[in-house]
Amino acid sequence: RKEVEQDPGPFNVPEGATVAFNCTYSNSASQSFFWYRQDCRKEPKLLMSVYSSGNEDGRFTAQLNRASQYISLLIRDSKLSDSATYLCVVNYLILSNAGNNRKLIWGLGTSLAVNP
Amino acid sequence: DAGVIQSPRHEVTEMGQEVTLRCKPISGHDYLFWYRQTMMRGLELLIYFNNNVPIDDSGMPEDRFSAKMPNASFSTLKIQPSEPRDSAVYFCASRAGGRDQPQHFGDGTRLSIL
Repeated sequence: RKEVEQDPGPFNVPEGATVAFNCTYSNSASQSFFWYRQDCRKEPKLLMSVYSSGNEDGRFTAQLNRASQYISLLIRDSKLSDSATYLCVVNYLILSNAGNNRKLIWGLGTSLAVNP
Repeated sequence: DAGVIQSPRHEVTEMGQEVTLRCKPISGHDYLFWYRQTMMRGLELLIYFNNNVPIDDSGMPEDRFSAKMPNASFSTLKIQPSEPRDSAVYFCASRAGGRDQPQHFGDGTRLSIL
């Protein structure tokens, strides 16, 4: 099983639709989670952090399910400008004899196209 | 505020040549990361530094790749000799200390090895 898995899509939705992405992770010791957005030929940019209780930022809602080891991103009333690739990022705890270390593991991304 | 600055934006060179990518992190950020992104493998962490010290270089593909951070405001990623399979977009990112701080990315260097 991959450490972080996302449905690559593409998701094609009309303007105004609600769309949801899931991301599963394999390391139960993961501590923090993020959603990044990447436009074509651009750098990734932080969309939102994901907190245990779930969090909302305007039309975007992120949720964490530790028991099932997945995070989700919900976009309501989608806009043309939401078209992008959405990257799930998990902060892993790596245990070793040399001491614990944390490492960000990135999903391959989910492609979203919002159509007029 | 200035973000992460990378140079060059584009690099096209012949295989066998040495390639040097440069990065200036955001002032005050303790961590610096080098990533490589391709369609097939997505975003891969190559190496990261904390306070100018390399912490994890397990993602560096082979000895042809090397990275340095001589001071808090500058880092280089060098490929010598370069090969066509090194063609990718290379991103540099930095973040402040603290476990949940987000990373801020530069615009990337689009590298093509012919």
